[in-house]
Amino acid sequence: DGGITQSPKYLFRKEGQNVTLSCEQNLNHDAMYWYRQDPGQGLRLIYYSQIVNDFQKGDIAEGYSVSREKKESFPLTVTSAQKNPTAFYLCASSMSESNQPQHFGDGTRLSIL
Amino acid sequence: KQEVTQIPAALSVPEGENLVLNCSFTDSAIYNLQWFRQDPGKGLTSLLLIQSSQREQTSGRLNASLDKSSGRSTLYIAASQPGDSATYLCAHPRGGTSYGKLTFGQGTILTVHP
Repeated sequence: DGGITQSPKYLFRKEGQNVTLSCEQNLNHDAMYWYRQDPGQGLRLIYYSQIVNDFQKGDIAEGYSVSREKKESFPLTVTSAQKNPTAFYLCASSMSESNQPQHFGDGTRLSIL
Repeated sequence: KQEVTQIPAALSVPEGENLVLNCSFTDSAIYNLQWFRQDPGKGLTSLLLIQSSQREQTSGRLNASLDKSSGRSTLYIAASQPGDSATYLCAHPRGGTSYGKLTFGQGTILTVHP
C-alpha cells in the first residue's frame, strides 16, 4: 500500500543530543513537509521541500535541520539548540499540483529524558 | 496574518445525531480547504478537499461546504457513530497557492457517546 512511514513511533532525547526522525513516502509525491503539534496549539510548519535537493524554512525552523537527497525521504534532525523539543512530529507529502490533498504519516512522539 | 478558527473546540453528542463542525478563515483568496480527522496519538487522515470553485463535497456520511465570501467552511456529519469520535481539523494552503504549506485550525474534539 502507498503511504508515508515515520519512524520511530517514540523517541527520547538526552540533554545536548541530536536526534533524527525518519520520514519515507512511496506515493511518488514531489513535496514533503514537517509539522510540529503541541497540545492546544495546532500544527506548525517546521520545514518543507518542493523538490529533491531543495528545502525551505517554515514558521519554527530554529533548532531543526533537514535534508532531501532522495524524492522518497525527508529526515528531520532535532538539534541540541532546540530547547523545547517535546512534541508530536508529523511528516506529510503532496503532489506539486493544484488542489492536491496533503497526506500524513502516523507521527513520532519526542520526549526529553 | 492568515488565521483559521474552529468552533466549537469540543463537542459531545449522542449517537445518531447529525452535527456540524465550523471552520472560519481570514484569507479570502484560498484555492481549497481540506478537512482532516485525527485519532488520539495518530497522524492526520484526509477526509475531504473542497476547491474554491465547488460549493460542496461529499464522502459517505460526510459533507463539506465552502463559502469563500464569508470565510467559512462546514463539515456536516450525518447519523453520527461512536467511531466518529476524533479530533477534526481544517486547513488551507497559504498565500494564494493551490497546494503546499497549510495553515491549520486548532481542531474540534468530537465525542459521540452510545
